[in-house]
Amino acid sequence: DVKVTQSSRYLVKRTGEKVFLECVQDMDHENMFWYRQDPGLGLRLIYFSYDVKMKEKGDIPEGYSVSREKKERFSLILESASTNQTSMYLCASSPGGVDKETQYFGPGTRLLVL
Amino acid sequence: GQNIDQPTEMTATEGAIVQINCTYQTSGFNGLFWYQQHAGEAPTFLSYNVLDGLEEKGRFSSFLSRSKGYSYLLLKELQMKDSASYLCAVRRIKAAGNKLTFGGGTRVLVKP
Repeated sequence: DVKVTQSSRYLVKRTGEKVFLECVQDMDHENMFWYRQDPGLGLRLIYFSYDVKMKEKGDIPEGYSVSREKKERFSLILESASTNQTSMYLCASSPGGVDKETQYFGPGTRLLVL
Repeated sequence: GQNIDQPTEMTATEGAIVQINCTYQTSGFNGLFWYQQHAGEAPTFLSYNVLDGLEEKGRFSSFLSRSKGYSYLLLKELQMKDSASYLCAVRRIKAAGNKLTFGGGTRVLVKP
């Protein structure tokens, strides 16, 4: 069974703080993703990585950065948190290759920025 | 760009059938996924269609028409535990890293 874990389920931070969200997968997947999920907007891709040290911007990268130093770990960084970054953050991973390989999601981190 | 539309909410009765539609506009279509997401939980994979036609998996079926840019997820013999959000997602050809674009999700409420 694929397991994707996220460092926190709930997080409360203050405006301007630096925030780190960690994601770890145990299935040796090449691809990892960070999404945010907001009511009415669905899942929106922030950044993804298809290999160690490789990253690409998703649809809404502004205000975020990422780090992938090891294959199993993908970190999302909010350099200076703002209230509009209050959201549910979901990490996912998938094997390399195409076809019907799905993405496997972590349990999510609900972030509140005050 | 891509545009993926699905209804926001649907209500159905236990034991009934519900059909959730998803329409999309994208270049280089290369597969459509359906996920189920219970409140406060992670999305989990339900189905994948890349060719036209119906894929059946127990009580759940998914249909795709590539020429119409249309898919539906059919839930039969509804159970209370099927109350969840259902997410439609599209993948494009040459999308690096198996990147998907998601619709807004359809919240299904099953009533007794």
